[in-house]
Amino acid sequence: EVQLVESGGGLVQPGGSLRLSCAASGFTFSSYSMNWVRQVPGKGLEWVSYISSSRSTIYYADSVKGRFTISRDNAKNSLYLQMNSLRAEDTAVYYCAREGIEVAGTTFDHWGQGTLVTVSS
Amino acid sequence: SYEVTQPPSVSVSPGQTASITCSGDKLGDKYACWYQQRPGQSPVLVIYQDSKRPSGIPERFSGSNSGNTATLTISGTQAMDEADYYCQAWDSSTYVVFGGGTKLTVL
Repeated sequence: EVQLVESGGGLVQPGGSLRLSCAASGFTFSSYSMNWVRQVPGKGLEWVSYISSSRSTIYYADSVKGRFTISRDNAKNSLYLQMNSLRAEDTAVYYCAREGIEVAGTTFDHWGQGTLVTVSS
Repeated sequence: SYEVTQPPSVSVSPGQTASITCSGDKLGDKYACWYQQRPGQSPVLVIYQDSKRPSGIPERFSGSNSGNTATLTISGTQAMDEADYYCQAWDSSTYVVFGGGTKLTVL
């Protein structure tokens, strides 16, 4: 069974930093591209960042570019999101999402349960 | 940047057909997918590659994509289908774009 378990969320002051982790199991993690998607409570989904299976390709949403860094450790079956210079508008539930393979178009076929990040003084 | 637009809400009576649209410039030239999100839960993929259903998704869920509009259709809607639905597409300028979401009410 595919499992994605996020951790590392919490309360942080504006300007602070936080590192999110996503532990993957039940599939060959090194074969899949991964993403972070966030959702402000009560609002819609917003894509945040993408990393390819080999780490060779990385993308960021304009809203986080220069402040967030995505990374992965295929040996540890883990995905990370380093978030710096946090702002109130970064407050959201952060999901890690697996990208489907052998599928036309970009599709997130499995999602974690999410971890809440709250940026507030 | 590329955008896709959904109606904020759709209502349907139990057993009837619900249609949720997703509009974007030449969306039919891209692949669209749909996610269902029940309250307090993570999103679940219900349609990918315009019209394909992942394993475990009931046959009453179907999708289409042509011109500027992708459509999620739920036939014989059940109370358990009440949820938020999000369309999503890929675009070279933004990588992934989500619609704003549609709240489906079954009443």
